[in-house]
Amino acid sequence: DAGITQSPRHKVTETGTPVTLRCHQTENHRYMYWYRQDPGHGLRLIHYSYGVKDTDKGEVSDGYSVSRSKTEDFLLTLESATSSQTSVYFCAISAGGDTDTQYFGPGTRLTVL
Amino acid sequence: DAKTTQPPSMDCAEGRAANLPCNHSTISGNEYVYWYRQIHSQGPQYIIHGLKNNETNEMASLIITEDRKSSTLILPHATLRDTAVYYCIVEPTAGGTSYGKLTFGQGTILTVHP
Repeated sequence: DAGITQSPRHKVTETGTPVTLRCHQTENHRYMYWYRQDPGHGLRLIHYSYGVKDTDKGEVSDGYSVSRSKTEDFLLTLESATSSQTSVYFCAISAGGDTDTQYFGPGTRLTVL
Repeated sequence: DAKTTQPPSMDCAEGRAANLPCNHSTISGNEYVYWYRQIHSQGPQYIIHGLKNNETNEMASLIITEDRKSSTLILPHATLRDTAVYYCIVEPTAGGTSYGKLTFGQGTILTVHP
């Protein structure tokens, strides 16, 4: 299995509080991604990174920000959590190239009350 | 929007081959066909991908039609552990301008029965 960890694995927080989720990889892959998964919507891309300090928005980026100061870490921040951001968040990594595949982390279950 | 169409669910008997179809009639020349699966509450798992030739690995085989408008994922001897949601995705690779972003549809729920 690819070396991807996510922390925390579970979190319960209140509306209006800031939340930061961490994705850590040991594969030295260039690309990193944050997805959310909700019933009836499948996985949707929030933000992605194509290098250190290089990030861009995905399909559902409103209310989220990201940072990547090191190759191995990709942080997802909810500046002011809302109940609509209750979801399961998955991080993924990819080396890129013609044979690239994405490897996913175990997920973080976030509940915003 | 997802660029693929898959049946919402399929059943398969344990030990038999599972053949999962996928239509991707608008696929572009630089787009690959990827298959991932997601076992309940886990992160998606890569299975296989191909451009235009048939591919086989230790998990599955991928058959792509000559016009590339459809494909079939084959699990040769399905087991109970293969019960999962299977996603067919078409995207350029990360080396291109899409940066490897994946667009997931609803996938096919494959249930393997004893």
